[in-house]
Amino acid sequence: GAVVSQHPSRVICKSGTSVKIECRSLDFQATTMFWYRQFPKQSLMLMATSNEGSKATYEQGVEKDKFLINHASLTLSTLTVTSAHPEDSSFYICSATPYNEQFFGPGTRLTVL
Amino acid sequence: QKEVEQNSGPLSVPEGAIASLNCTYSDRGSQSFFWYRQYSGKSPELIMFIYSNGDKEDGRFTAQLNKASQYVSLLIRDSQPSDSATYLCAVNRDTGFQKLVFGTGTRLLVSP
Repeated sequence: GAVVSQHPSRVICKSGTSVKIECRSLDFQATTMFWYRQFPKQSLMLMATSNEGSKATYEQGVEKDKFLINHASLTLSTLTVTSAHPEDSSFYICSATPYNEQFFGPGTRLTVL
Repeated sequence: QKEVEQNSGPLSVPEGAIASLNCTYSDRGSQSFFWYRQYSGKSPELIMFIYSNGDKEDGRFTAQLNKASQYVSLLIRDSQPSDSATYLCAVNRDTGFQKLVFGTGTRLLVSP
């Protein structure tokens, strides 16, 4: 199957700093990638749809100025959590659909102190 | 009412038994239905998807869909301890994998 990677796998930062998470499709081109967030014991919640070469589409309730998404190439999408706060601590997962299946990255555990 | 509802569990079954996982959804317009397995701290991996009413079998797994009742289930035959994980149900209004809506998942524990 297709491989999606994420970097870093785990990050701890101080409140107020910005954190960038990378999502890469390793063996296919992805015009669309998705960003999810998962809090402990809760469901994956779609945050935004990342479109190569255009602006991301954010789900209702997700602050686009806080969660900046850049899909600069067909293999890379980045999510930047700006001015992170403890309530942003979560498991962030990206995914892509090269064909008839959605493949998930391994996730990034963000802890904001 | 949540869009996709699952019993959080845990559902405990002995090794070799059949595990039955259930999911209901609220949007009658949903067209495609998915079951993902998620181990603790890991990302989800697809087990099966189903579009049409009835049963779909893949190895030890069987997905069952009843659109009239807005109900989808996953049966795991000959359960193994390695099947212990959280099983996520997801739905989509379209026949594809875009913009999935996930349930909170059911934790399955298979005891040796």
